[in-house]
Amino acid sequence: AQKITQTQPGMFVQEKEAVTLDCTYDTSDPSYGLFWYKQPSSGEMIFLIYQGSYDQQNATEGRYSLNFQKARKSANLVISASQLGDSAMYFCAMREGLIYNQGGKLIFGQGTELSVKP
Amino acid sequence: EAQVTQNPRYLITVTGKKLTVTCSQNMNHEYMSWYRQDPGLGLRQIYYSMNVEVTDKGDVPEGYKVSRKEKRNFPLILESPSPNQTSLYFCASSFIAADTQYFGPGTRLTVL
Repeated sequence: AQKITQTQPGMFVQEKEAVTLDCTYDTSDPSYGLFWYKQPSSGEMIFLIYQGSYDQQNATEGRYSLNFQKARKSANLVISASQLGDSAMYFCAMREGLIYNQGGKLIFGQGTELSVKP
Repeated sequence: EAQVTQNPRYLITVTGKKLTVTCSQNMNHEYMSWYRQDPGLGLRQIYYSMNVEVTDKGDVPEGYKVSRKEKRNFPLILESPSPNQTSLYFCASSFIAADTQYFGPGTRLTVL
């Protein structure tokens, strides 16, 4: 079974509008972390935002926010006021608690390619 | 500037010719890791190092070696590269394993 599922292979958004990228996860570990990374066409992997499983509030970082719904096991990324430079591949990732994940491994979804239209 | 650096960024080589991809971080991070990214397979962990004392295999270690002689460096060694090791390789580091991992710029390797 997929541990991280991103159901939107590609999305379009108009510049200055908000967009939500979906991510659902599957784990039985009570302690885990959820991450979003951005990969532009140049290839680097850029950290955007982090949510811990015990965090009570949704994480925010500038124009990025994470809509964390623990009971539904979803961790959607919301980008407000999209910019042309937001066009990239976006990856959701999970790190399970170190009891089950001795290697600190991140498990990545397949990614969503976001295109921002002028 | 706090960063993870990798060299080379691009490499084309031939089967069997030993190569090393270097990784260095200037953030005093204990934890370092290598991933490879392949279309349809996503990112998979190759090796990780909790600190200079502990290094271990990830999900896809076959054909790779690593060393962690000092905290800042974590080179990836391909003793006898094969075409199935053609991939985009990322080094990542974090203060500890339970912290956010920051990635290097990637190394695009082609093995002919």
